[in-house]
Amino acid sequence: GDSVTQMEGPVTLSEEAFLTINCTYTATGYPSLFWYVQYPGEGLQLLLKATKADDKGSNKGFEATYRKETTSFHLEKGSVQVSDSAVYFCALSDRNNNDMRFGAGTRLTVKP
Amino acid sequence: DTAVSQTPKYLVTQMGNDKSIKCEQNLGHDTMYWYKQDSKKFLKIMFSYNNKELIINETVPNRFSPKSPDKAHLNLHINSLELGDSAVYFCASSHPGQGAHEQYFGPGTRLTVT
Repeated sequence: GDSVTQMEGPVTLSEEAFLTINCTYTATGYPSLFWYVQYPGEGLQLLLKATKADDKGSNKGFEATYRKETTSFHLEKGSVQVSDSAVYFCALSDRNNNDMRFGAGTRLTVKP
Repeated sequence: DTAVSQTPKYLVTQMGNDKSIKCEQNLGHDTMYWYKQDSKKFLKIMFSYNNKELIINETVPNRFSPKSPDKAHLNLHINSLELGDSAVYFCASSHPGQGAHEQYFGPGTRLTVT
């Protein structure tokens, strides 16, 4: 079945460092891809999404590009802030059903 | 104007008890979900309802029973609670007609079974 694999954490960076969190997927169809963020004590919030190959999702300085050839959707940010400390989830959704598959989550801690 | 709300936010109870968690969404979505998040933050889908009908029922104990009185509500009832049920439970909703099937999550209910 469809699945998502993301890099294991935790990831610890200094403020203003460059961030990459890797995500690869396995799907039989043409899924939509998502990054969700979970701040401490809160629910998941949609960070960005991409619905077809070569689409780039972006929000709050974060970006991810839907790469069909490498089945990847890596999350990047050029300069992280302390407020970016959270758990990040990569996810995919098949257009034909209501099922969303989440990766295991990557905890990011940004130190001042 | 909360989109997806859950009550209670915290629930502490003893083994063997029966408890319910309520979820409501005011987004007009057709589909609602329950997820369980363990201590390592791993998210596992439990149930999915579309227009009050069960769509996904992953392998969860039959002590867990979802109830959807209408499209805007999906409650989770748990019988005979066990220590292993301790987790954070998230409700979510989506509207497949909007294409990307993105889901909107509630704030979570932290269940602690002692």
